[in-house]
Amino acid sequence: AQSVAQPEDQVNVAEGNPLTVKCTYSVSGNPYLFWYVQYPNRGLQFLLKYITGDNLVKGSYGFEAEFNKSQTSFHLKKPSALVSDSALYFCAVRDMKYNFNKFYFGSGTKLNVKP
Amino acid sequence: EPEVTQTPSHQVTQMGQEVILRCVPISNHLYFYWYRQILGQKVEFLVSFYNNEISEKSEIFDDQFSVERPDGSNFTLKIRSTKLEDSAMYFCASGAGTGVTDTQYFGPGTRLTVL
Repeated sequence: AQSVAQPEDQVNVAEGNPLTVKCTYSVSGNPYLFWYVQYPNRGLQFLLKYITGDNLVKGSYGFEAEFNKSQTSFHLKKPSALVSDSALYFCAVRDMKYNFNKFYFGSGTKLNVKP
Repeated sequence: EPEVTQTPSHQVTQMGQEVILRCVPISNHLYFYWYRQILGQKVEFLVSFYNNEISEKSEIFDDQFSVERPDGSNFTLKIRSTKLEDSAMYFCASGAGTGVTDTQYFGPGTRLTVL
């Protein structure tokens, strides 16, 4: 079965500092990994995805994620955090069974960026 | 940029009552999904819908749940007789396809509170 784990409920970082939000996965078959962000009163917004190819994936708002097969990780990163990055971040893996795919989400990590 | 919309944003109901949660997917999308998130827990897949029928459902999606696309724009989730444990945030999502690179786009969610 597919699953993802986000080991940190909350991450605190100062504005201007680099940030990392961790995600590890467990899949049978090829991993198709996604990051979504949720701002207050908004839906889950797509940030980036890893399907195949380059292990460093670049996405929206200056975010990037590094796929590491040996560590089964897909950590979200940003070189310089902004206060406006404060939100809830979800890692997800896609299950391609039956061709009508569904996502398995992690429990979410709340990112707090302090001025 | 087109978005998935959901109404209402918050629904309060008495146990045993029927509720209908409404979603307007992105207009050219063909695949529709419902997920839910119980407070403090993971976002969980409920059901996927394509070509006017359910393509996959989870064990959560029992006989109390039903989905419908009553017209060309709306996608609804009905809970026939709500239980306390149905209290959760319900997310609708839509996608243009189910290929490896296709993304699901999520609405802002409806918070359902069952008293």
